[in-house]
Amino acid sequence: EMQLVESGGGLVKPGGSLRLSCAASTFTLSAYDMNWFRQAPGKGLEWVSSIVSGGAFMYHAESVQGRFTISRDNAKNSLFLQMDSLRVEDTAVYYCARGRIFGDFWGQGILVTVSS
Amino acid sequence: EVVLTQSPGSLSLSPGERATLSCRASQSVVSSYLAWYQQKPGQAPRLVISGASTRASGIPDRFSGSGSGTDFTLTISRLEPEDFAVYYCQLYGHSPRFTFGPGTKVDAK
Repeated sequence: EMQLVESGGGLVKPGGSLRLSCAASTFTLSAYDMNWFRQAPGKGLEWVSSIVSGGAFMYHAESVQGRFTISRDNAKNSLFLQMDSLRVEDTAVYYCARGRIFGDFWGQGILVTVSS
Repeated sequence: EVVLTQSPGSLSLSPGERATLSCRASQSVVSSYLAWYQQKPGQAPRLVISGASTRASGIPDRFSGSGSGTDFTLTISRLEPEDFAVYYCQLYGHSPRFTFGPGTKVDAK
């Protein structure tokens, strides 16, 4: 069964850092553009970051530009999101998802809570 | 930046009824870049429609998408109990790369 599994979430203080991982199974991550999305509690969906299949180009939402960095390790079939200088408003469930124009397959999500 | 507006914000219907959800873009967009997702509580979004009208894998044919330009519609012809959820439209672009509408909640009357 195809899976994307996020890990690395948790509780962190404002100004702190976290690194999210997304591991793919039963499909080859390297063939796809990959993305991170997030959803604050009780709110809608928000795009965070994208990376092209080969890893050469990365894109970030204005709200996270300069603080978050998306990366991938195709050899390990994994996607990452390094989150620095975290703010209370970054609190959300973070999802990794496959696809360039739309997300055709999503992980189950991981909660990140930024609170003092 | 294109803004997506969804209406209504919520819809109360009975199983077997027809649901019509609207997504309006602030400017004309490429239809192939418009998608719809279903999200149930505590679950990840699930792709329902891509390219404005193409059903995703495993999506039953009671779901259909239509529209062009600035106006797009997701129709569920006969609601099943498992269809009650929040539905989001999404547009692919350059900056930002993905834009979502605020969602329409379809709940049971």
